Amino acid sequence: SAVISQKPSRDICQRGTSLTIQCQVDSQVTMMFWYRQQPGQSLTLIATANQGSEATYESGFVIDKFPISRPNLTFSTLTVSNMSPEDSSIYLCSVEVGVGGNQPQHFGDGTRLSIL
Amino acid sequence: EDQVTQSPEALRLQEGESSSLNCSYTVSGLRGLFWYRQDPGKGPEFLFTLYSAGEEKEKERLKATLTKKESFLHITAPKPEDSATYLCAVRSGGSYIPTFGRGTSLIVHP
Repeated sequence: SAVISQKPSRDICQRGTSLTIQCQVDSQVTMMFWYRQQPGQSLTLIATANQGSEATYESGFVIDKFPISRPNLTFSTLTVSNMSPEDSSIYLCSVEVGVGGNQPQHFGDGTRLSIL
Repeated sequence: EDQVTQSPEALRLQEGESSSLNCSYTVSGLRGLFWYRQDPGKGPEFLFTLYSAGEEKEKERLKATLTKKESFLHITAPKPEDSATYLCAVRSGGSYIPTFGRGTSLIVHP
């Protein structure tokens, strides 16, 4: 497995502002994933971040709203831009450790974001 | 499109009262089914991976089983510390993106 650290663990933000969430892994990984988890809902993948290339966004998520950086094999950031109350959610970073393309993902503890 | 349905949404048990959680899935070629445990304020914690029908995995009071249409997470003689939300996810052929269910919230009363 891997140790995944996310910062901040929670935040309360004003409408219209932006917040950058950091994700640090204790080992080098090829792909890092960003999810959103809303109460009573399943985890929804926002985007996949590979080092050295542009992030791949899922349907309904765009780079202007959720820009992602992946400067190296152990670190990624997700920015939630121009926030509105609808962006209040838990944002989770995950990684897949191991080879074979069928390993489980391991998650950080998430960032709990509230927008006023 | 892959689909995962977990039931029940919520389950209350008395300590020692065994039960099962269900994960029904529809995929085109199952590559893996994953069970996670999520405590309040924490991220999902990986429990098991099942790859083919008939496979079983055990860990302490938990046992996961898999058929071609569903998976069960059996909890034997649960304790209050087993209280958590249990998530199921599937990965199908040709996709590295797992599909998650909404989870079952389990509360075990002492």
